Amino acid sequence: GENVEQHPSTLSVQEGDSAVIKCTYSDSASNYFPWYKQELGKRPQLIIDIRSNVGEKKDQRIAVTLNKTAKHFSLHITETQPEDSAVYFCAARSNSGYSTLTFGKGTMLLVSP
Amino acid sequence: DGGITQSPKYLFRKEGQNVTLSCEQNLNHDAMYWYRQDPGQGLRLIYYSQIVNDFQKGDIAEGYSVSREKKESFPLTVTSAQKNPTAFYLCASNIYGGATDTQYFGPGTRLTVL
Repeated sequence: GENVEQHPSTLSVQEGDSAVIKCTYSDSASNYFPWYKQELGKRPQLIIDIRSNVGEKKDQRIAVTLNKTAKHFSLHITETQPEDSAVYFCAARSNSGYSTLTFGKGTMLLVSP
Repeated sequence: DGGITQSPKYLFRKEGQNVTLSCEQNLNHDAMYWYRQDPGQGLRLIYYSQIVNDFQKGDIAEGYSVSREKKESFPLTVTSAQKNPTAFYLCASNIYGGATDTQYFGPGTRLTVL
C-alpha cells in the first residue's frame, strides 16, 4: 500500500517568513495530493490540492509543488501570519484499488509575532 | 464541510462497553470514511464505504465495526475488543469517482475510556 512520509514534524518561523513542508510517497500510481490544515480541536480543512498532471499550483500565499519522478511534493507558505499556526497534513491518493487517501503524520507550524 | 455532522462531540466509555459514534451527511456524497487521530500519528483509516450496504476495512479496523444502511449515515461502533480506543475520531465524505476527490470532514468525536 501507499506510504507517506512528512517532514518536519514541527516548524517554528517568525511572522513574515516563509515555511516549507515536504512529503514523499511510495506508490507511483498515486495521482492526487491534498493538503489539509487543522487548528487545535477542529476538523481538518482542505487548503490546496494538486493532481499528477500538474507540477505546481498557487493560491495566494500558498503553493504546492509536485515532483513525480522523485515522488515528493511540498507545501510553501509565504509571508506567514500567526493565524497560519496549525497542524498541516499532506496526503496521497493511489489510482489503484479503492483509491483511499493515505496521510502523513502532520507538521505543527508555529508562527511567532 | 458544514454538511457533515458527528455526535456526540465528547464521549466517555467504561472499559468493556461498546459505543457507537454517529456520522451524518447531507451532501449527497457516495463515499464515507472513518479515521482515528492520535497525537503525532496523523489520520489513520478505520473503515470506508463507497456505496450503500458495502464497506471495506482500512488500515486499523480491528476492534471496530460499521454499517451503511443509508447513503447519509455511516455509524462507527467501537467495541470492547479495541484495546486502546481513547482518540479523536473523524468522519469524512466525498463524491466517489467524481471530478473532485476532496474529502470533507466532520467536526469529530473525542472518545475517552475511563
